[in-house]
Amino acid sequence: EVELVESGGGLVQPGRSLRLSCAASGFTFNDYAMHWVRQAPGKGLEWVSGISWNSGSIGYADSVKGRFTISRDNAKNSLHLQMSSLRAEDTAFYYCAKDLSSTSSIPVNWGQGTLVTVSS
Amino acid sequence: SSELTQDPAVSVALGQTVRITCQGDRLRSYYASWYQQRPRQAPVLVFYARNNRPSGIPDRFSGSSAGSTASLTITGAQAEDEADYYCNSRDTSGNQVFGGGTKLTVL
Repeated sequence: EVELVESGGGLVQPGRSLRLSCAASGFTFNDYAMHWVRQAPGKGLEWVSGISWNSGSIGYADSVKGRFTISRDNAKNSLHLQMSSLRAEDTAFYYCAKDLSSTSSIPVNWGQGTLVTVSS
Repeated sequence: SSELTQDPAVSVALGQTVRITCQGDRLRSYYASWYQQRPRQAPVLVFYARNNRPSGIPDRFSGSSAGSTASLTITGAQAEDEADYYCNSRDTSGNQVFGGGTKLTVL
């Protein structure tokens, strides 16, 4: 069974950095693209970033480009999101999601999310 | 436009059919995926591509597409279908966007 467990969320001051991690199990991690999707409390879903199976293709939403960096460690079955220059509008639940394939850009399995709160 | 537009709210009587729509220029080139999100739960993929329903999703969920509009149809809506529904699609670089979401109420 696919399991995705996010960690690293918490309260952080504006302008500071935070690193999220996602531990994956139940599937062959290096066969699939992965994504980060966020949801501000009471708001809709926003795709943040995606990474191909071999890290050869990476994309970011315009709202985070230049501030966030996605990475993966296939040896450790883990996905990461390094967030810097955080803003109040980055406050959200951050979900790690497994793609349908190595390239489909369809998130199919989701973790339960980790809450990031950016506030002074 | 790079955006996907959904009606904020739709209602349906129990057992009736409801269509949730998603509009956007990128849908002329790429299929939409559809997600169901119940309160305080992670999203669940319910339909994707031309005609694909993930394992475990009831066959009352179906999708269609015409021009710049994609639709998710629930035939015979059940009480447990009450949720938020989001469409999603990609662009040529693989970047994605979600629609604003539709809150479905089953009366």
